[in-house]
Amino acid sequence: DAKTTQPTSMDCAEGRAANLPCNHSTISGNEYVYWYRQIHSQGPQYIIHGLKNNETNEMASLIITEDRKSSTLILPHATLRDTAVYYCIVRVEGNQGGKLIFGQGTELSVKP
Amino acid sequence: DSGVTQTPKHLITATGQRVTLRCSPRSGDLSVYWYQQSLDQGLQFLIQYYNGEERAKGNILERFSAQQFPDLHSELNLSSLELGDSALYFCASSVTGAETYGYTFGSGTRLTVV
Repeated sequence: DAKTTQPTSMDCAEGRAANLPCNHSTISGNEYVYWYRQIHSQGPQYIIHGLKNNETNEMASLIITEDRKSSTLILPHATLRDTAVYYCIVRVEGNQGGKLIFGQGTELSVKP
Repeated sequence: DSGVTQTPKHLITATGQRVTLRCSPRSGDLSVYWYQQSLDQGLQFLIQYYNGEERAKGNILERFSAQQFPDLHSELNLSSLELGDSALYFCASSVTGAETYGYTFGSGTRLTVV
């Protein structure tokens, strides 16, 4: 699985968009980008994933650059409840053997 | 409620003891994963079971073992407990064990070893 690099922490004002970057310069053509988040001491929660096209769901949008070496998770209108650690993970979909590996992630603080 | 049930929620035990953590996966999910989260280590993958068989293993200590039963619930057994085993233990489930999206995590068991 390709290595990812994320900022350790970020702040965002409530109601504003939160843009969380992730670098994955060694990503392979068949590797997807996944985002999970973990609100304090709760189990991680799946947010979104994508291969090369931008994706949007009810929680967030995922923007992947054309060269696929980086991506950005966008929370369009951040609320205090979005304060959490956000994990960017890159791996091959359908890779038998689970092993979803979490890095250190980005600690997002949404402030009033 | 995520649909993944972990019991107990909290557990306090002494060093040297043995405990069993239980996980019931979301209905329809065949694969179960166990993770350990301590303050200094982050989320660490321990082991995966799929339909009763071990599928993948992470950095699981020899003092730890797990199994998945015919009804698909899973148990994580921790023995000869040490202070350093104090952590949150999460169970997750997924449908086939091959997909990466859509893992569903339980709320965890907080183990404190004193």
